[in-house]
Amino acid sequence: DTAVSQTPKYLVTQMGNDKSIKCEQNLGHDTMYWYKQDSKKFLKIMFSYNNKELIINETVPNRFSPKSPDKAHLNLHINSLELGDSAVYFCASSARAGPGAGSNEQFFGPGTRLTVL
Amino acid sequence: KQEVTQIPAALSVPEGENLVLNCSFTDSAIYNLQWFRQDPGKGLTSLLLIQSSQREQTSGRLNASLDKSSGRSTLYIAASQPGDSATYLCAVQGSWGKLQFGAGTQVVVTP
Repeated sequence: DTAVSQTPKYLVTQMGNDKSIKCEQNLGHDTMYWYKQDSKKFLKIMFSYNNKELIINETVPNRFSPKSPDKAHLNLHINSLELGDSAVYFCASSARAGPGAGSNEQFFGPGTRLTVL
Repeated sequence: KQEVTQIPAALSVPEGENLVLNCSFTDSAIYNLQWFRQDPGKGLTSLLLIQSSQREQTSGRLNASLDKSSGRSTLYIAASQPGDSATYLCAVQGSWGKLQFGAGTQVVVTP
């Protein structure tokens, strides 16, 4: 199936731990994103990578570090987890994005529900 | 700063009635607008994307209009079905593909 996939689907961990979420897309897209959906269901962009290069970094604490080993993968590592990090994290991809233009349609993964105890 | 608002926050209609969902945005400098559907505990499914130069887009029972100058988009769903029950999100897109979302409209279609 062509899609955006994320692992794990659920992640329960203690405060202070470090965890990673992985994302892969097999759509041949150049651009990948991380979004956070908080407890009030509001979605907000965190990061975007275009062809392995960071292009959007939205005032996210530096405990969050995205890494893109290649165009098809974008991982999110979170250090020293806090209670407020509990949320659903969505990965998305699109064909391309540019500085003076938007991008094509964005496709989302199923989400990773992170619970910090 | 771009702000996206969706009204109403929740909507309940009997099966067969048409649905009208509204989305407004404060900055008309957008590249496109995308409508999504989110089922409980699931990811987002893209329904329609309207480019900034377009006035409307149609897919099956769904029709979305865009009036960029007034900062409005409307999603129409004809002849609603119980399977249309979900949260509908609109998002406007700026540079580098950055999507800014509204808070969503939760729709319940009763049989």
